[in-house]
Amino acid sequence: KAGVTQTPRYLIKTRGQQVTLSCSPISGHRSVSWYQQTPGQGLQFLFEYFSETQRNKGNFPGRFSGRQFSNSRSEMNVSTLELGDSALYLCASSLTSGPFGDTQYFGPGTRLTVL
Amino acid sequence: DAKTTQPNSMESNEEEPVHLPCNHSTISGTDYIHWYRQLPSQGPEYVIHGLTSNVNNRMASLAIAEDRKSSTLILHRATLRDAAVYYCILRAGTALIFGKGTTLSVSS
Repeated sequence: KAGVTQTPRYLIKTRGQQVTLSCSPISGHRSVSWYQQTPGQGLQFLFEYFSETQRNKGNFPGRFSGRQFSNSRSEMNVSTLELGDSALYLCASSLTSGPFGDTQYFGPGTRLTVL
Repeated sequence: DAKTTQPNSMESNEEEPVHLPCNHSTISGTDYIHWYRQLPSQGPEYVIHGLTSNVNNRMASLAIAEDRKSSTLILHRATLRDAAVYYCILRAGTALIFGKGTTLSVSS
């Protein structure tokens, strides 16, 4: 079974632009979560989608948004990019979105650099 | 979310057992203890999880203290491929809340 795929793997943008990152979960998985990883803050939870609905959200500004499609694929968007948004963005999929969660399977991430 | 405390780094020799400690004194009765690890240039990967009883799988063992205020991840025979950052996470919901983790170095 193919793992979680993320596209693109690398991205360079300039301040003020917006960016869209894509994530394809493992076949059959219906929950997709997004995380941001930076050297200073480590791994931080952004949001989770299940059955096209946002189920949980981390402490990030409204410039960070996401959506999930009927085939469970997910996109996240960052508008008005800032230098501090430079990070590795990781997507993780799991079978369900139960109260204590299922094992999450991570993709390789998208490395975003904001100049 | 309840917090975990892990040593910043640990060292091991290849083929020796490794015990990675985690303190979680504020754990609640419904918090599951999860361990993930992140190899260099990769996304995190699941290692093991448990609630109250010790757990074993093909990758590792998880020993949970009787009062659940601490736990230990045990790698029975470390290999060079086990060099990674190991995260101990208390999970009471769908999100994984990562701490700083323990960087494990393995020498041949």
